[in-house]
Amino acid sequence: DGGITQSPKYLFRKEGQNVTLSCEQNLNHDAMYWYRQDPGQGLRLIYYSQIVNDFQKGDIAEGYSVSREKKESFPLTVTSAQKNPTAFYLCASSGVEGGTGETQYFGPGTRLLVL
Amino acid sequence: GQNIDQPTEMTATEGAIVQINCTYQTSGFNGLFWYQQHAGEAPTFLSYNVLDGLEEKGRFSSFLSRSKGYSYLLLKELQMKDSASYLCAVRGSTDKLIFGTGTRLQVFP
Repeated sequence: DGGITQSPKYLFRKEGQNVTLSCEQNLNHDAMYWYRQDPGQGLRLIYYSQIVNDFQKGDIAEGYSVSREKKESFPLTVTSAQKNPTAFYLCASSGVEGGTGETQYFGPGTRLLVL
Repeated sequence: GQNIDQPTEMTATEGAIVQINCTYQTSGFNGLFWYQQHAGEAPTFLSYNVLDGLEEKGRFSSFLSRSKGYSYLLLKELQMKDSASYLCAVRGSTDKLIFGTGTRLQVFP
């Protein structure tokens, strides 16, 4: 089955610790995205990548880092510089399919909690 | 600036029809998307509009008027499982998606 997987489902971070969220897709999509979702707010773009070995900052990149060494994988690291990391993190990918204008499809999400 | 507005909450009765509105002001327009998101889960794609008019997909339809910066999602024959948040998102000139805050729909028996 084609899809997007994220792990872990829940992640706990201690103060001053870096943590990495995994995102893998087997849809053969070129573009991948990371969003953050907080209660009462729309999804906010953290980073995105349109091709391997290239990525761009989104609207709220401070305190986060990414890499795109493989087409299938786009891990997100939440660094200790991110002062308010508690949120629901969503990874998405997109490709041109059947006239739907590069629809973004989402993984199941990772909920990050700070201890 | 860029802005997408949708009502925060709506309620409806099982079997009824509900219309969720979305108005947008963005730099450029390259399509409008509707997603459904159940609590604690990821958004799932519902519909895409890039030209004016109505797109129908089963019980769900989506309408777009580019001149008015307006879209709506129409849900017919409501079922309890339709209780969810509905997200409106616009792709602007930068090809990035801009999301509204979502409309939480509660369906009552």
